[in-house]
Amino acid sequence: DAGVTQSPTHLIKTRGQQVTLRCSPKSGHDTVSWYQQALGQGPQFIFQYYEEEERQRGNFPDRFSGHQFPNYSSELNVNALLLGDSALYLCASSLAPGRPLHFGNGTRLTVT
Amino acid sequence: AQSVSQHNHHVILSEAASLELGCNYSYGGTVNLFWYVQYPGQHLQLLLKYFSGDPLVKGIKGFEAEFIKSKFSFNLRKPSVQWSDTAEYFCAVNAGTGRRALTFGSGTRLQVQP
Repeated sequence: DAGVTQSPTHLIKTRGQQVTLRCSPKSGHDTVSWYQQALGQGPQFIFQYYEEEERQRGNFPDRFSGHQFPNYSSELNVNALLLGDSALYLCASSLAPGRPLHFGNGTRLTVT
Repeated sequence: AQSVSQHNHHVILSEAASLELGCNYSYGGTVNLFWYVQYPGQHLQLLLKYFSGDPLVKGIKGFEAEFIKSKFSFNLRKPSVQWSDTAEYFCAVNAGTGRRALTFGSGTRLQVQP
């Protein structure tokens, strides 16, 4: 059991569409981070949410946005999908920013 | 900006062989260092971490890593691998106060042959 749950597990979208991915953090964790993992690559940091605000952001365009809810769950939204957005999207939660991350199983997004 | 290099992309070993996976980072200040493992079909799991103190840290399943500040390295070791160690291994760092997001290396795929 990962503790961190993500939905859906797989998703197929068409170029130009929009997608929303969801994440529930491990119980007791209030910080959520999102990562993109392309095939054969390590996870790339997208952004981190803490106290319902985006606290840090990686080198991703504004098409990538997110939200954190009062129950600490989080959403990742990607607009105007590109073929290059095809990847495994990982959600990770932690007790606080900078603490060890606990990862979910990820959402596999395929853009056709 | 912080970055992490893992030079071994794919390693194949026989059971009982010794393992050392290289990890180098680029950041001149204080760092926190991590190794994560991803077994086939499973999520990323923390193997071990270094925040401060003894530069030789021990993790789960017999793994250890040594932080060598002068070499900007944090290599992962295990004296005797098992078939069940077959997985992908990721080194990660967060720099400064430790509140920054983790930067991951590209990973090393370890294949242990019985």
